[in-house]
Amino acid sequence: GAVVSQHPSRVICKSGTSVKIECRSLDFQATTMFWYRQFPKKSLMLMATSNEGSKATYEQGVEKDKFLINHASLTLSTLTVTSAHPEDSSFYICSALPGAVLAGERDTQYFGPGTRLTVL
Amino acid sequence: GDSVTQMEGPVTLSEEAFLTINCTYTATGYPSLFWYVQYPGEGLQLLLKATKADDKGSNKGFEATYRKETTSFHLEKGSVQVSDSAVYFCALISVYGNNRLAFGKGNQVVVIP
Repeated sequence: GAVVSQHPSRVICKSGTSVKIECRSLDFQATTMFWYRQFPKKSLMLMATSNEGSKATYEQGVEKDKFLINHASLTLSTLTVTSAHPEDSSFYICSALPGAVLAGERDTQYFGPGTRLTVL
Repeated sequence: GDSVTQMEGPVTLSEEAFLTINCTYTATGYPSLFWYVQYPGEGLQLLLKATKADDKGSNKGFEATYRKETTSFHLEKGSVQVSDSAVYFCALISVYGNNRLAFGKGNQVVVIP
């Protein structure tokens, strides 16, 4: 159980286009999802916290107009990179926090497999 | 603020060797502690966790004990395999942190046959 999927797994786009990444919790409901960005050989950088039915909370330095987050349901959050540029190329990872206690796993985040974005 | 410190640099060792990755933390209150593993090209997988002092998390031969007195959560495995080659991240969640994970920088582990 506790599986999180991301789609697409890999995307290549031209500079100036927008890209949408989906994060789904497949077998549990997630009131909170998180979006991270990972640079090569670096740790994960938290970009924003996404709560179902409310506006996302962005970390300092993350442009909310560039990285649009929508958490429309208890199993789906989307990250849209608007007007992407080469510097947005990165590995984007989401995680989901179960809304209900799953056998004592209340504080455990479950991660998606990541999305590799390359902007040409 | 909450933070996690992992030992510097990659770790290269031979198959069947003993692995230790050090992790220390700074946090308000009593955080939950985690080790996540990331295989090449993939997301993070929870390896093990501990939620209170003296708890030992274990999984797939890996162990880590929550040491409040030394604020540490070192990861150990007695005999590594080539398949254990991955990046290992230590992390914590504090009750004061709005469920946000604080990660260490990660350690690349390479196991040579």
